[in-house]
Amino acid sequence: QVHLVESGGGVVQPGRSQRLSCATSGFTFDNYDIHWVRQAPGKGLEWVAVISYDGSHKSYGPSVKGRFTISRDESRNTVYLQMNSLRGEDTAVYYCSREAVRGVLQYWGQGTLVIVSS
Amino acid sequence: DIQMTQSPSSLSASVGDRVTITCQASQDIRKFLNWYQQKPGKAPKLLIYDASNLETGVPSRFGGSGSGTDFTFTISSLQSEDIATYYCQHYDTLALTFGQGTRLEIK
Repeated sequence: QVHLVESGGGVVQPGRSQRLSCATSGFTFDNYDIHWVRQAPGKGLEWVAVISYDGSHKSYGPSVKGRFTISRDESRNTVYLQMNSLRGEDTAVYYCSREAVRGVLQYWGQGTLVIVSS
Repeated sequence: DIQMTQSPSSLSASVGDRVTITCQASQDIRKFLNWYQQKPGKAPKLLIYDASNLETGVPSRFGGSGSGTDFTFTISSLQSEDIATYYCQHYDTLALTFGQGTRLEIK
């Protein structure tokens, strides 16, 4: 059974950093691309980042490019999202999701809430 | 960048009604369009992939059609448990784009 569990959310001050984790189980980790998608309170879904199955390709949405870094640890079956220079507009629930193929997000975690506030 | 325009932004319908949501791409995306359902406080759920393929376990009252730039998502007979927000989504070379969402309510 496929599981993705996000952690690392919380309240963080503007300008500071936070690292989110996405722990996975129930599938062969190094066969799949993993995405982060976020949702600000009362707003729609916004794609944040993707890392390819082998970590060789990474891509970011325009609002986080240069501030966020996605990575993966094959030994822990975990994907990370390092978020630097956080802003109020980064306040959101952050979901990780396993891609089936061609951007089809087949499995999702439950999300972790990040609040950027002083 | 490809833009996805979803409409309407909100919709009110009665149980048993046929419901239609549209999504328009700013350029030809062939069949690479997916649909998700999100209930309040929950993660999105994949319903339809590649425009018209029903994800395993999704009820057959949900359907999708279209190709190129114009796509349609349909609920053939609305049930009370279908109250949710629906999103279209496209993938293009390691980047995803979501539509703005359609909030579906019961009349």
